[in-house]
Amino acid sequence: SQTIHQWPATLVQPVGSPLSLECTVEGTSNPNLYWYRQAAGRGLQLLFYSVGIGQISSEVPQNLSASRPQDRQFILSSKKLLLSDSGFYLCAWIQGLHPPLSSYGYTFGSGTRLTVV
Amino acid sequence: KNQVEQSPQSLIILEGKNCTLQCNYTVSPFSNLRWYKQDTGRGPVSLTIMTFSENTKSNGRYTATLDADTKQSSLHITASQLSDSASYICVVRSSGTYKYIFGTGTRLKVLA
Repeated sequence: SQTIHQWPATLVQPVGSPLSLECTVEGTSNPNLYWYRQAAGRGLQLLFYSVGIGQISSEVPQNLSASRPQDRQFILSSKKLLLSDSGFYLCAWIQGLHPPLSSYGYTFGSGTRLTVV
Repeated sequence: KNQVEQSPQSLIILEGKNCTLQCNYTVSPFSNLRWYKQDTGRGPVSLTIMTFSENTKSNGRYTATLDADTKQSSLHITASQLSDSASYICVVRSSGTYKYIFGTGTRLKVLA
């Protein structure tokens, strides 16, 4: 069965420090991978998606970057965190093509609560 | 502008009672609508998916309805349990842009 792992679960970082959040998927190959951010009282915002190794699409300009060094690994990074980067970060995957078939839905990781202080 | 609005923002009910959560959307052209349950500090989990031709779909004690004409969906929870305490998120997919538009969710609290 397919599983998605995301870590760490919580993170408190000072402003200006770097960030690295990791997400891995097991039990499938060539998944479409996504990073979402959920700010308090707001809907999930798509940050990045990847359809394959080294292929990254950015949805919104921001202080963050993403990389996909391996087929089932997706990393969210920042060189210098801002206070506004605080939020709940979710990794997700969908199988198949991109854009995915309409019947396919996201499988989300358990999330990372990032607090920038 | 494609938007998904949910109401109420939060809801408190007693265990065993029923409740209904609302989702109104302006997404066009419409592809499908999903309801997700998100436990606190966890990722969302899909409850049900509604396509244009479906009016009602059940998943255990959860029943989703869709009125594509008025662009409204509801999620009805029957005989609520403490474990139903969570945020419920409505997500609409646009077939035009293939994008998923997320609502801000309804936070449900079930009290013993």
